[in-house]
Amino acid sequence: SQTIHQWPATLVQPVGSPLSLECTVEGTSNPNLYWYRQAAGRGLQLLFYSVGIGQISSEVPQNLSASRPQDRQFILSSKKLLLSDSGFYLCAWRQLNYGYTFGSGTRLTVV
Amino acid sequence: QKEVEQDPGPLSVPEGAIVSLNCTYSNSAFQYFMWYRQYSRKGPELLMYTYSSGNKEDGRFTAQVDKSSKYISLFIRDSQPSDSATYLCAMSFTYNNNDMRFGAGTRLTVKP
Repeated sequence: SQTIHQWPATLVQPVGSPLSLECTVEGTSNPNLYWYRQAAGRGLQLLFYSVGIGQISSEVPQNLSASRPQDRQFILSSKKLLLSDSGFYLCAWRQLNYGYTFGSGTRLTVV
Repeated sequence: QKEVEQDPGPLSVPEGAIVSLNCTYSNSAFQYFMWYRQYSRKGPELLMYTYSSGNKEDGRFTAQVDKSSKYISLFIRDSQPSDSATYLCAMSFTYNNNDMRFGAGTRLTVKP
C-alpha cells in the first residue's frame, strides 16, 4: 500500500534560521508530489509541485525553495526564515482519479 | 471573486442531525470535485471524489454536484461526534488534478 511520511510534526525556529522539511512516499513510483501551506482559517496554498526528479514548479514567489533529489523524496527549504513563513505545511502526492493523499503535516512556528 | 467559495462556519449540530456543507465556484471548466476531511493538527483525508454533475453516496456521506449552478454539496446523515472536523471542498479542471483548487474549509462540531 502507498504511504506518505512527513517530518517533523512540529518545529519552532528563530527568524533568520534555515529550514528543511522532508517528505517521502512509499509504495509508488514516479509520483506527482506537492507542497502546500495552510494558514489558520484559510485554504490550502500550493507552493511547489514536482512531476519527477529535479523537476520543480513554483506557484508562488516565496522565501522558500523545493528540491526532489530522489523519485520518492520531496524537500522544502529556506535559507532564512521570516515570521510570515509560520504555518501548517503539508506534503501530498497525487493518485490518478483519486485526488491527493496528504501527509500528517508540519506545524512551523517562526519566533 | 475567489475561484472556490466555502462558508468557514463554524457549524454546530446535535448528534444524529443531517449536515449540509456547500461550496460554490466561478469557473465552469471544473470537472472533478472532491471533499476532504481534516481533523485538528492532521493532514486532510479524501472523503469523496466525483466527476461532473450528479450524486455519489458512500455510507452516511453523499456528494452532490450541480454544474449548472456551480454548486457542490456534501451531506452527512446521522452525524456523529467523530465527524467533528474541518471539511474542505476541492476541484480541478483535468483528470491529473495538478490544478487543484481548495475551499477554505468549514469547521463542523457534532455535539453528543
